[in-house]
Formats: sequence, structure tokens, C-alpha cells
Amino acid sequence: QKEVEQNSGPLSVPEGAIASLNCTYSDRVSQSFFWYRQYSGKSPELIMSIYSNGDKEDGRFTAQLNKASQYVSLLIRDSQPSDSATYLCAVNIPRNRDDKIIFGKGTRLHILP
Amino acid sequence: DAGITQSPRHKVTETGTPVTLRCHQTENHRYMYWYRQDPGHGLRLIHYSYGVKDTDKGEVSDGYSVSRSKTEDFLLTLESATSSQTSVYFCAISAWRDRGDEQYFGPGTRLTVT
Repeated sequence: QKEVEQNSGPLSVPEGAIASLNCTYSDRVSQSFFWYRQYSGKSPELIMSIYSNGDKEDGRFTAQLNKASQYVSLLIRDSQPSDSATYLCAVNIPRNRDDKIIFGKGTRLHILP
Repeated sequence: DAGITQSPRHKVTETGTPVTLRCHQTENHRYMYWYRQDPGHGLRLIHYSYGVKDTDKGEVSDGYSVSRSKTEDFLLTLESATSSQTSVYFCAISAWRDRGDEQYFGPGTRLTVT
């Protein structure tokens, strides 16, 4: 079973609309969840981290976490063409000594002007 | 910006040659990581370090070795490069923020093995 799953997309969203990106994970003991944005040819950039159930808002971005359903999402309000990128979901997997972070394969988002 | 640089940024090498990639950080972070990113596979951990001279394997460590003789430098070596090691390599550090450890990435090295 894959540990972190995302729809690969592409997800096409009109400019100004809300983009909704989803991620599921398999390890119930995970405590930390992250969203990275990666532009083509660039490195992943951390844009949101969330640790508790519920919503966390930062500007146009809202991360949502539901540990019971093992589900984390990212909402982008008022989508802009500059939001077109691949979004990686990452989940912390606790281990005895060193936790590890597992990345999903990413969802490609395309904002239509 | 977590103060991470990688060198070289691009490299083309021939099969069978040794290659060393360097990651340098300026903020004294204890944990450093090497990932490779390939289409269809996403980011995969090669090796990581939890201190000077302390390293451990990740999920795709075969064919790679690492060294960390100083806190600021983490080296990834391909002893004998193969075409399957053509990839983009990212270095990352782990930093405590807010309520947990977060990973920040360097700019990457694009390696082509011909």
C-alpha cells in the first residue's frame, strides 16, 4: 500500500476560482503534514505545515487535516496563473530513532487565465 | 531561505566514472538529507545524516555513499555512475519550526549519465 497518495492531475482551475488538492496517507501515527509547491525545474518549496485536526489558513492557502479519515487537503483561493505548479503532499512517519518524511508524487495544477 | 547551496548545479558524466555532489548549509542544522527525484517516482530518500560522521541509509541507497566531516557539508558520491542514476538530486535540511521538524530543500543538481 502506498504511504502517501495524490491524484497526479493535471487539475485545471479557472483563474479566480478555488483549487482543491487532496492527499491520503496510510500510517495512522503520523503527526506532521506538509504541502510543498514545486515549479518546473525548481526545488520543492514548503508552503504549509499542519499538525492538528481542522483548518490552518495562511493568506490564500488553507490546509485541512482530518486524522480520523487520514486525509489532508490544500485549498488555494482566488487562484492565480502563478499558482500553476506541482504540489507535493508530505507526511511525517515516526520511527524509533529518526522520523522520516514520505512524499506523494504530486498533483500538477494548471490555472487557466 | 534555509541557506542551502548545491554544487555543481548541472553535470554530465560518463558511465563508470565517479561523481561527487556537494551540499553546503550555513545555519548549523543537525539533519541533512539527499533525495533523488524522477518522473513517476517522486522524491526518494537516498541517505541522510544526523550529525558529523553520523549517516544512515534511505530507501534507494544502493550505488551511493555519503560523508559528513563538517556540520555544514554533506557529500553524495556515486562510486561508478550508471545511466539509472540520471536524475535530479536535492539536498535538504531539517529545522524545528513551530510544532515540528520541517524540511527545506536546496536548488538541486541535475545529473546526466551517458
